[in-house]
Amino acid sequence: EVQLVESGGGLVQPGGSLRLSCTVSGFRFSTYAMTWVRQAPGKGLEWVSTLTGTGDNTYYRDSVKGRFTVSRDNSKNTLFLQMNSLRAEDSAIYYCAKDLVAITPSGILDVWGKGTTVTVSS
Amino acid sequence: SYVLTQPPSLSVAPGRTARITCGGNNIGGKSVAWYQQKPGQAPVLVIYYDDDRPSGISERFSGSNSGNTATLIISRVEAGDEAEYYCHVWDRGSDHWVFGGGTELTVL
Repeated sequence: EVQLVESGGGLVQPGGSLRLSCTVSGFRFSTYAMTWVRQAPGKGLEWVSTLTGTGDNTYYRDSVKGRFTVSRDNSKNTLFLQMNSLRAEDSAIYYCAKDLVAITPSGILDVWGKGTTVTVSS
Repeated sequence: SYVLTQPPSLSVAPGRTARITCGGNNIGGKSVAWYQQKPGQAPVLVIYYDDDRPSGISERFSGSNSGNTATLIISRVEAGDEAEYYCHVWDRGSDHWVFGGGTELTVL
């Protein structure tokens, strides 16, 4: 069974940092692109970042570019999101999700984790 | 940046057909996915490549995409279909993925 489990969320002050992790099982992790999606309280889904299976290519939404860094450790089946200079508007549930298609990122997210909550507040 | 527009809400009687639209400039030239999200749960992929269904998704779910509008079609709507639905595309021009704002489906 394919599983994705996020961790690392919490309460952080504006300007602070957090590192989210997504540990996966049940599939060949290194073959698939992975994506982070967030959802602010009572709001819709928002794409944050995508990373190819090899880690060679990264994609970010404009509002997090330069502040967030996505990475992966294929030997540990884990995806990361390093979040720096956090703002109140970054408060959300952060989901990691697996791409449907192997090798090339399609953005079609066929398996999602349950999410981890990030709250940015003083 | 590319924008996807969905109606905020739609109400449908049980047994009828729900059509949830997703508008975008020449969206017919893109590949659309749809996600269902129930309260307190993670999203679930219900349609991809405009009209393909993942295994385990009811055949009552289908999709279409042409011109400036993509549509998620739910036939014989059931109470269990109540959820928020999001369309999703890749904007090749910006290398960004985009979600629509979501449509809350209510089954009367």
